[in-house]
Amino acid sequence: GENVEQHPSTLSVQEGDSAVIKCTYSDSASNYFPWYKQELGKGPQLIIDIRSNVGEKKDQRIAVTLNKTAKHFSLHITETQPEDSAVYFCAASGRDDKIIFGKGTRLHILP
Amino acid sequence: SAVISQKPSRDICQRGTSLTIQCQVDSQVTMMFWYRQQPGQSLTLIATANQGSEATYESGFVIDKFPISRPNLTFSTLTVSNMSPEDSSIYLCSVEAPTGANVLTFGAGSRLTVL
Repeated sequence: GENVEQHPSTLSVQEGDSAVIKCTYSDSASNYFPWYKQELGKGPQLIIDIRSNVGEKKDQRIAVTLNKTAKHFSLHITETQPEDSAVYFCAASGRDDKIIFGKGTRLHILP
Repeated sequence: SAVISQKPSRDICQRGTSLTIQCQVDSQVTMMFWYRQQPGQSLTLIATANQGSEATYESGFVIDKFPISRPNLTFSTLTVSNMSPEDSSIYLCSVEAPTGANVLTFGAGSRLTVL
């Protein structure tokens, strides 16, 4: 089955700098890659997703890139703000439509 | 997207007892999903609950330990039975968003601590 690895587990960046979180997946049939943000005391919320027919997608300060050959995808957050502090999860969904999540990255935005 | 309410939001339970978590959705949905999020870990799918049929459990999860009810298209319950400290987790209810397949909306979760 699918396996999703996520790095780093913890990331601290200065406010205004960029943050990058990387994930790899194992199943070449996976075709949907969402990213979720989980704030303290809340459930995960979808922030951006990408499907395998697209290499990059942007939404304001957030972008996701996908390299199907290498089976990895990344989340990029530019001009980070205090409200970006949260746990971020990548995920992959493949042939059986099951969504497999990475272990999460705790992002700290430093003042 | 759907609004999901979960109860309780948190609870402290004694070993050997059982607790039922409720999930209410503000719209009718075909499938509801129950996830477990252990401390510092990923989200793991426990089971998929369809209205009118038995829940489908993932590998490693069994009905005797995690019985699920789905009486209608807006409500589901998950019971954690005969709890041990290893069951201390956040339990999350989720539904597919109408925007697309595999796009999930989550409830705020129920944080259980088993002593």
